[in-house]
Amino acid sequence: QIQLVQSGPELKKPGESVKISCKASGYTFTDYAVHWVKQAPGEGLRWMGWINTYTGKPTYADDFKGRFVFSLEASATTANVQISNLKNEDTATYFCARYELRRLHNWFAYWGQGTLVTVSS
Amino acid sequence: DIQMTQSPASLSASLGETVTIECRPSEDIYNGLAWYQQKPGKSPQLLIYNANSLHTGVPSRFSGSGSGTQYSLSINSLQSEDVASYFCQQYYNYPYTFGAGTKLELK
Repeated sequence: QIQLVQSGPELKKPGESVKISCKASGYTFTDYAVHWVKQAPGEGLRWMGWINTYTGKPTYADDFKGRFVFSLEASATTANVQISNLKNEDTATYFCARYELRRLHNWFAYWGQGTLVTVSS
Repeated sequence: DIQMTQSPASLSASLGETVTIECRPSEDIYNGLAWYQQKPGKSPQLLIYNANSLHTGVPSRFSGSGSGTQYSLSINSLQSEDVASYFCQQYYNYPYTFGAGTKLELK
């Protein structure tokens, strides 16, 4: 079955970096993009962008340009997001997600379990 | 960007009751709308796509309707396991945007 399994929680200090991974299984990894979604504590969902798993090209939402980098380990069917120069406001749960269908725009039928990143001095 | 206005922010209802949550995009999204349910500490789960199509395995007491700039999610005969937060999301165009959420509690 289709699964997205994310790496474990992280506790970081302001200014540090963190890398979150999302390992996909149960389908051909390069057939579907991986999207990333942020959820700050007690808040709603914010779409961060996506990475084309065939070409490796990332696309970032405006608020996530600069300190956020999407990458792939295609041989390991894993997508990553690295956040540099961490700020308190980066404290959140980060989800990876996949479309149900292979289209430019589609709904998210598959989600990782989420990775909590806590930024605190 | 398309703004998604979701209401109410919170809702208290009794078992067996019917509840409705609304979502209003700032422009026409041509039914490119999904509804998700999220329980504490869990990832969102897809309920409805294309505004009114029920995702596989979702109970039939959930339904979606609407078009243009007005959409709604209804839950008939509320069950205890429906206590959760609900989010709408437009996937008509990038950047994808979500409603602020509705927290559903039992009265």
